[in-house]
Amino acid sequence: QEKVQQSPESLIVPEGAMVSLNCSFSDSASQSIWWYQQHPGKGPKALISIFSNGNKKEGRLTVYLNRASLHVSLHIKDSQPSDSAVYLCAVNQGGSAKLIFGEGTKLTVSS
Amino acid sequence: AQTIHQWPVAEIKAVGSPLSLGCTIKGKSSPNLYWYWQATGGTLQQLFYSITVGQVESVVQLNLSASRPKDDQFILSTEKLLLSHSGFYLCAWSLGTGGHEQYFGPGTRLTVL
Repeated sequence: QEKVQQSPESLIVPEGAMVSLNCSFSDSASQSIWWYQQHPGKGPKALISIFSNGNKKEGRLTVYLNRASLHVSLHIKDSQPSDSAVYLCAVNQGGSAKLIFGEGTKLTVSS
Repeated sequence: AQTIHQWPVAEIKAVGSPLSLGCTIKGKSSPNLYWYWQATGGTLQQLFYSITVGQVESVVQLNLSASRPKDDQFILSTEKLLLSHSGFYLCAWSLGTGGHEQYFGPGTRLTVL
Protein backbone atom coordinates (compact mmCIF):
# COMPACT_ATOMS: atom_id res chain seq x y z
CA GLN A 1 0.00 0.00 0.00
CA GLU A 2 1.34 3.40 -1.01
CA LYS A 3 2.42 5.64 1.89
CA VAL A 4 2.52 9.41 1.60
CA GLN A 5 4.30 11.49 4.24
CA GLN A 6 4.38 15.27 4.44
CA SER A 7 6.60 17.70 6.27
CA PRO A 8 6.57 19.94 8.11
CA GLU A 9 3.38 19.30 10.06
CA SER A 10 2.78 23.05 10.37
CA LEU A 11 4.44 26.24 9.29
CA ILE A 12 4.04 29.91 10.18
CA VAL A 13 5.56 32.47 7.82
CA PRO A 14 5.30 36.25 7.37
CA GLU A 15 3.46 37.66 4.38
CA GLY A 16 5.68 37.74 1.30
CA ALA A 17 7.83 34.77 2.34
CA MET A 18 8.64 31.83 0.10
CA VAL A 19 7.01 28.65 1.41
CA SER A 20 8.40 25.15 0.83
CA LEU A 21 6.34 22.03 1.53
CA ASN A 22 7.63 18.48 1.25
CA CYS A 23 6.08 15.14 0.40
CA SER A 24 7.61 11.68 0.12
CA PHE A 25 5.92 8.60 -1.30
CA SER A 26 6.75 4.93 -1.24
CA ASP A 27 5.77 3.51 -4.64
CA SER A 28 8.01 4.32 -7.58
CA ALA A 29 5.21 3.17 -9.91
CA SER A 30 3.01 6.01 -8.69
CA GLN A 31 1.81 8.14 -11.55
CA SER A 32 0.62 11.68 -11.04
CA ILE A 33 1.19 13.62 -7.84
CA TRP A 34 -1.25 16.32 -6.83
CA TRP A 35 -1.22 19.18 -4.36
CA TYR A 36 -4.57 20.18 -2.88
CA GLN A 37 -5.50 23.12 -0.67
CA GLN A 38 -8.11 22.67 2.06
CA HIS A 39 -9.66 25.41 4.14
CA PRO A 40 -11.34 24.50 7.49
CA GLY A 41 -14.69 22.79 7.00
CA LYS A 42 -14.37 22.74 3.19
CA GLY A 43 -13.57 20.17 0.54
CA PRO A 44 -10.03 20.18 -0.90
CA LYS A 45 -9.30 22.04 -4.12
CA ALA A 46 -6.61 20.95 -6.55
CA LEU A 47 -3.76 23.43 -7.05
CA ILE A 48 -1.20 21.75 -9.29
CA SER A 49 -0.11 18.31 -10.44
CA ILE A 50 3.05 16.76 -11.86
CA PHE A 51 3.78 13.51 -13.63
CA SER A 52 7.28 13.75 -15.09
CA ASN A 53 10.58 14.26 -13.29
CA GLY A 54 11.54 17.89 -13.07
CA ASN A 55 9.54 20.97 -12.25
CA LYS A 56 6.32 22.69 -13.26
CA LYS A 57 5.38 26.31 -12.63
CA GLU A 58 1.90 27.82 -12.45
CA GLY A 59 1.64 31.41 -11.24
CA ARG A 60 3.12 31.64 -7.74
CA LEU A 61 3.34 27.84 -7.45
CA THR A 62 6.25 25.62 -8.47
CA VAL A 63 6.33 21.87 -7.94
CA TYR A 64 9.45 19.70 -8.15
CA LEU A 65 9.38 15.93 -8.60
CA ASN A 66 12.32 13.57 -8.12
CA ARG A 67 11.18 10.01 -8.80
CA ALA A 68 14.55 8.51 -7.90
CA SER A 69 14.29 9.85 -4.35
CA LEU A 70 10.46 9.46 -4.26
CA HIS A 71 10.13 13.10 -3.27
CA VAL A 72 7.99 16.00 -4.40
CA SER A 73 7.94 19.58 -3.11
CA LEU A 74 5.63 22.55 -3.52
CA HIS A 75 6.94 26.10 -3.36
CA ILE A 76 4.69 29.11 -2.95
CA LYS A 77 6.26 32.43 -3.88
CA ASP A 78 5.22 35.72 -2.25
CA SER A 79 2.84 34.06 0.23
CA GLN A 80 -0.38 35.88 1.16
CA PRO A 81 -2.65 35.59 4.23
CA SER A 82 -5.25 34.02 1.91
CA ASP A 83 -2.79 31.13 1.33
CA SER A 84 -3.34 30.07 4.96
CA ALA A 85 -4.81 26.57 4.74
CA VAL A 86 -3.89 22.90 4.96
CA TYR A 87 -1.90 21.65 1.96
CA LEU A 88 -2.39 18.02 1.01
CA CYS A 89 -0.11 15.92 -1.16
CA ALA A 90 -1.92 13.14 -3.03
CA VAL A 91 -0.44 10.32 -5.09
CA ASN A 92 -2.29 8.41 -7.77
CA GLN A 93 -1.55 4.70 -7.69
CA GLY A 94 -0.44 3.42 -11.07
CA GLY A 95 -3.11 5.11 -13.15
CA SER A 96 -5.91 3.55 -11.11
CA ALA A 97 -8.85 5.35 -9.52
CA LYS A 98 -7.07 5.32 -6.14
CA LEU A 99 -5.72 8.54 -4.69
CA ILE A 100 -3.64 8.35 -1.50
CA PHE A 101 -3.35 11.49 0.61
CA GLY A 102 -0.70 12.59 3.07
CA GLU A 103 -1.50 13.99 6.51
CA GLY A 104 -1.18 17.57 5.32
CA THR A 105 0.83 20.65 6.25
CA LYS A 106 -0.97 23.49 7.99
CA LEU A 107 0.28 26.81 6.64
CA THR A 108 -0.33 30.11 8.40
CA VAL A 109 0.73 33.31 6.66
CA SER A 110 0.75 36.25 9.04
CA SER A 111 0.11 39.79 7.81
CA ALA B 1 -20.76 24.24 -15.32
CA GLN B 2 -20.53 21.17 -13.14
CA THR B 3 -21.93 21.32 -9.63
CA ILE B 4 -21.61 18.81 -6.84
CA HIS B 5 -24.12 18.72 -4.03
CA GLN B 6 -23.92 16.71 -0.82
CA TRP B 7 -26.67 16.09 1.68
CA PRO B 8 -27.19 16.53 4.52
CA VAL B 9 -24.77 19.31 5.44
CA ALA B 10 -24.44 17.87 8.95
CA GLU B 11 -25.86 14.99 10.97
CA ILE B 12 -25.87 14.04 14.62
CA LYS B 13 -26.71 10.35 15.04
CA ALA B 14 -26.78 7.77 17.80
CA VAL B 15 -24.47 4.75 17.91
CA GLY B 16 -26.24 1.80 16.30
CA SER B 17 -28.54 3.90 14.14
CA PRO B 18 -28.57 3.71 10.32
CA LEU B 19 -27.00 6.32 8.06
CA SER B 20 -27.45 7.46 4.49
CA LEU B 21 -25.40 10.24 2.90
CA GLY B 22 -25.95 11.43 -0.63
CA CYS B 23 -24.06 13.12 -3.42
CA THR B 24 -25.28 14.44 -6.78
CA ILE B 25 -23.22 15.73 -9.69
CA LYS B 26 -24.90 17.93 -12.29
CA GLY B 27 -23.52 19.01 -15.63
CA LYS B 28 -21.26 16.05 -16.32
CA SER B 29 -22.27 12.70 -17.77
CA SER B 30 -20.67 9.43 -16.67
CA PRO B 31 -18.21 10.88 -14.18
CA ASN B 32 -16.03 8.74 -11.92
CA LEU B 33 -17.37 9.15 -8.38
CA TYR B 34 -15.59 8.82 -5.04
CA TRP B 35 -16.34 8.82 -1.31
CA TYR B 36 -13.73 10.03 1.16
CA TRP B 37 -13.65 10.21 4.97
CA GLN B 38 -11.61 12.50 7.17
CA ALA B 39 -11.55 12.05 10.95
CA THR B 40 -11.11 15.31 12.85
CA GLY B 41 -7.41 16.16 12.51
CA GLY B 42 -6.90 13.02 10.46
CA THR B 43 -5.83 12.03 6.96
CA LEU B 44 -8.25 12.10 4.06
CA GLN B 45 -8.98 8.47 3.12
CA GLN B 46 -10.61 7.23 -0.05
CA LEU B 47 -13.42 4.81 0.85
CA PHE B 48 -15.11 3.87 -2.44
CA TYR B 49 -14.97 4.69 -6.11
CA SER B 50 -17.33 4.06 -8.98
CA ILE B 51 -16.52 4.15 -12.68
CA THR B 52 -20.03 3.39 -13.88
CA VAL B 53 -23.63 3.03 -12.70
CA GLY B 54 -24.20 -0.01 -10.51
CA GLN B 55 -20.50 -0.72 -9.97
CA VAL B 56 -18.71 0.31 -6.78
CA GLU B 57 -15.23 -0.67 -5.60
CA SER B 58 -14.27 -0.60 -1.93
CA VAL B 59 -10.88 0.85 -1.01
CA VAL B 60 -10.99 0.93 2.79
CA GLN B 61 -13.18 -1.24 5.01
CA LEU B 62 -14.99 0.87 7.59
CA ASN B 63 -18.27 -1.07 7.92
CA LEU B 64 -19.80 1.24 5.32
CA SER B 65 -21.29 0.52 1.93
CA ALA B 66 -21.81 2.61 -1.18
CA SER B 67 -24.11 2.45 -4.15
CA ARG B 68 -24.49 4.29 -7.43
CA PRO B 69 -28.17 4.00 -8.40
CA LYS B 70 -27.98 6.66 -11.12
CA ASP B 71 -25.23 8.12 -13.28
CA ASP B 72 -25.19 11.33 -11.26
CA GLN B 73 -25.84 9.95 -7.77
CA PHE B 74 -23.62 8.27 -5.17
CA ILE B 75 -24.93 7.05 -1.81
CA LEU B 76 -22.94 6.11 1.32
CA SER B 77 -24.72 4.10 3.98
CA THR B 78 -24.53 1.77 6.94
CA GLU B 79 -27.11 -0.11 8.95
CA LYS B 80 -25.34 0.46 12.26
CA LEU B 81 -23.20 3.47 13.11
CA LEU B 82 -20.11 3.24 15.30
CA LEU B 83 -18.47 6.05 17.29
CA SER B 84 -15.50 5.72 14.93
CA HIS B 85 -17.67 6.77 11.97
CA SER B 86 -17.66 10.38 13.16
CA GLY B 87 -15.89 12.76 10.84
CA PHE B 88 -16.14 14.66 7.58
CA TYR B 89 -17.45 12.81 4.52
CA LEU B 90 -16.55 14.13 1.10
CA CYS B 91 -17.83 13.16 -2.31
CA ALA B 92 -15.70 13.84 -5.39
CA TRP B 93 -15.86 13.36 -9.15
CA SER B 94 -13.37 13.17 -12.00
CA LEU B 95 -13.41 12.78 -15.77
CA GLY B 96 -11.31 9.61 -15.61
CA THR B 97 -8.80 7.70 -13.54
CA GLY B 98 -5.06 8.19 -13.26
CA GLY B 99 -3.95 11.74 -13.78
CA HIS B 100 -7.38 13.34 -13.79
CA GLU B 101 -8.14 16.04 -11.22
CA GLN B 102 -10.71 15.13 -8.58
CA TYR B 103 -13.29 17.79 -7.73
CA PHE B 104 -14.61 17.69 -4.19
CA GLY B 105 -18.01 18.57 -2.81
CA PRO B 106 -18.68 20.69 0.28
CA GLY B 107 -18.81 17.66 2.60
CA THR B 108 -21.09 16.31 5.32
CA ARG B 109 -20.07 16.61 8.98
CA LEU B 110 -21.17 13.49 10.90
CA THR B 111 -21.16 13.27 14.69
CA VAL B 112 -21.96 9.91 16.25
CA LEU B 113 -22.88 9.99 19.95
